[in-house]
Amino acid sequence: NAGVTQTPKFQVLKTGQSMTLQCAQDMNHNSMYWYRQDPGMGLRLIYYSASEGTTDKGEVPNGYNVSRLNKREFSLRLESAAPSQTSVYFCASILDRVSEQYFGPGTRLTVT
Amino acid sequence: AQTVTQSQPEMSVQEAETVTLSCTYDTSESDYYLFWYKQPPSRQMILVIRQEAYKQQNATENRFSVNFQKAAKSFSLKISDSQLGDAAMYFCAYRNGFGLDSSYKLIFGSGTRLLVRP
Repeated sequence: NAGVTQTPKFQVLKTGQSMTLQCAQDMNHNSMYWYRQDPGMGLRLIYYSASEGTTDKGEVPNGYNVSRLNKREFSLRLESAAPSQTSVYFCASILDRVSEQYFGPGTRLTVT
Repeated sequence: AQTVTQSQPEMSVQEAETVTLSCTYDTSESDYYLFWYKQPPSRQMILVIRQEAYKQQNATENRFSVNFQKAAKSFSLKISDSQLGDAAMYFCAYRNGFGLDSSYKLIFGSGTRLLVRP
């Protein structure tokens, strides 16, 4: 099992450009998440998908959109990147209420 | 809303000694889970230990143990016999259990950087 995979690992964007961060899990997990990590602030939830076909906003959703393409894949889109979106982005997934969240390796995004 | 607070931005420990990282949280729920995650320079988030709120016994995993004080809403991590490989950021995290919130989302503290001196 590859677990949770994310592409790309690194990305540099110019202000106003768009891009999609990809996430996939091969553990047949039901719920998937996107977090961002900024210095000194821990991880904060952007969006999540409790099950295939549903998505909901987290703590910091502004400037992002998500798609739960199927049970395996959950993508995060930045339509018009801003320097404030410079961060490390983590995708995670979980099977059910009693299990743990598994995290991907993260994507370091810089917006200039 | 639930919150998690880690008041120690950085801690230092001598190799082979013991260190305790602090975490407090705030919630009105009675059923929840608490976690400690380790983040080494590789950035990977690694689960160190978890505690179910309904369990009175403190969780242990080899050299890692917790002191869970439910009434005080405190959840500290003790690392015994510290090793160089323990050097990392450590995050405390909270998750609701049963109830209306079925998102299973994690709420993180701001982290504690642990330095291990050889």
